[in-house]
Amino acid sequence: GAGVSQSPRYKVAKRGQDVALRCDPISGHVSLFWYQQALGQGPEFLTYFQNEAQLDKSGLPSDRFFAERPEGSVSTLKIQRTQQEDSAVYLCASTPGWGLAGAGSTDTQYFGPGTRLTVL
Amino acid sequence: ELKVEQNPLFLSMQEGKNYTIYCNYSTTSDRLYWYRQDPGKSLESLFVLLSNGAVKQEGRLMASLDTKARLSTLHITAAVHDLSATYFCAPDLSRAQKLVFGQGTRLTINP
Repeated sequence: GAGVSQSPRYKVAKRGQDVALRCDPISGHVSLFWYQQALGQGPEFLTYFQNEAQLDKSGLPSDRFFAERPEGSVSTLKIQRTQQEDSAVYLCASTPGWGLAGAGSTDTQYFGPGTRLTVL
Repeated sequence: ELKVEQNPLFLSMQEGKNYTIYCNYSTTSDRLYWYRQDPGKSLESLFVLLSNGAVKQEGRLMASLDTKARLSTLHITAAVHDLSATYFCAPDLSRAQKLVFGQGTRLTINP
């Protein structure tokens, strides 16, 4: 079946512009995660959804970052007034389980190809 | 705050040799994931280690977890060029799959 897809794959923005990054998780997956990966670094957690509920947004670096998943499937990560330090690859991942201790909590996260954001 | 350290960060080795990548983490976590990333690509899951003493093997790769020592290892046996990639370990911080990734070990295997 289809894996996690993300669009666009590449985005160039001028400083100050707003951007929206889209993630289509694997069909039926309950949990969805966003990560930011700077060049040469490991991914860093941004936020986590269980269906449409955003249960953890502790990793969002500022109030310019906003994520939503209104119908519990597709998610959008929005960055307002982009800055150069926002340049990174933004990865989305999904799992079938609920992300809680117990049922499904050992699920592997399946990652999408990422969106490479460059802010000039 | 959970900190994850991988060692080494860069590793160049010859085909046919054995080597081990180490992953140390700073707070309690009873499950850990290993991922592979090829240049310009996304992350591919390799192993999920769920308990103390867990050992998993797939081909030339073997991963283990010691939760008491807060240490996981990824052992490469008789390396081949196709294993060249960056390898990340990621303990699960909160049991809600809030993974904290190490910096990655960039492995280059030379013919």
